[in-house]
Amino acid sequence: KNEVEQSPQNLTAQEGEFITINCSYSVGISALHWLQQHPGGGIVSLFMLSSGKKKHGRLIATINIQEKHSSLHITASHPRDSAVYICAVRRVEDDKVIFGPGTSLSVIP
Amino acid sequence: EAQVTQNPRYLITVTGKKLTVTCSQNMNHEYMSWYRQDPGLGLRQIYYSMNVEVTDKGDVPEGYKVSRKEKRNFPLILESPSPNQTSLYFCASSGTSGRGNNNEQFFGPGTRLTVL
Repeated sequence: KNEVEQSPQNLTAQEGEFITINCSYSVGISALHWLQQHPGGGIVSLFMLSSGKKKHGRLIATINIQEKHSSLHITASHPRDSAVYICAVRRVEDDKVIFGPGTSLSVIP
Repeated sequence: EAQVTQNPRYLITVTGKKLTVTCSQNMNHEYMSWYRQDPGLGLRQIYYSMNVEVTDKGDVPEGYKVSRKEKRNFPLILESPSPNQTSLYFCASSGTSGRGNNNEQFFGPGTRLTVL
């Protein structure tokens, strides 16, 4: 069983829809990251969470430490949101970073 | 501008020819890391460094070396590259080696390596 799992693996949405991507992990962590990767390869950090909730524009990220679960929400989705979204955690025991498999999002006009 | 730079961005080489991929950050970050990304396998950590002269193996360290002689630089060395090291490599840095809300990761642009 992977230490970091994401769901769904693939997601197609109509423009304007509310989108949720989930991440669950099985290890103790010091931080959780949400990353975005567009076709062409560059990786952008969207959020770093160690507790609670963060909001940036149309993006909201939450984390529940007790349940070992995080969600990334996109409100009013737009075709430019089409990308792969990756959850990554930093293990508290050794500071290693473990990545989820990614969620491929396609937003259709 | 705060950034992580990597060089080269693209490299085609042959089996056994030693190479170095450089990584540099200008944010005075303690934590630096190298990752590789492969289709179907996702991102995996190769090596990381908590501070100068401190390096640790990630999940896939075989065939790689790193050094951290200065805080800003973290080169990745392939002493004898092999075709299975063909991959997309990313360097990243973050602000603290501990907990807290300030250790966001900043990624370099990536280095696409092909080993023939």
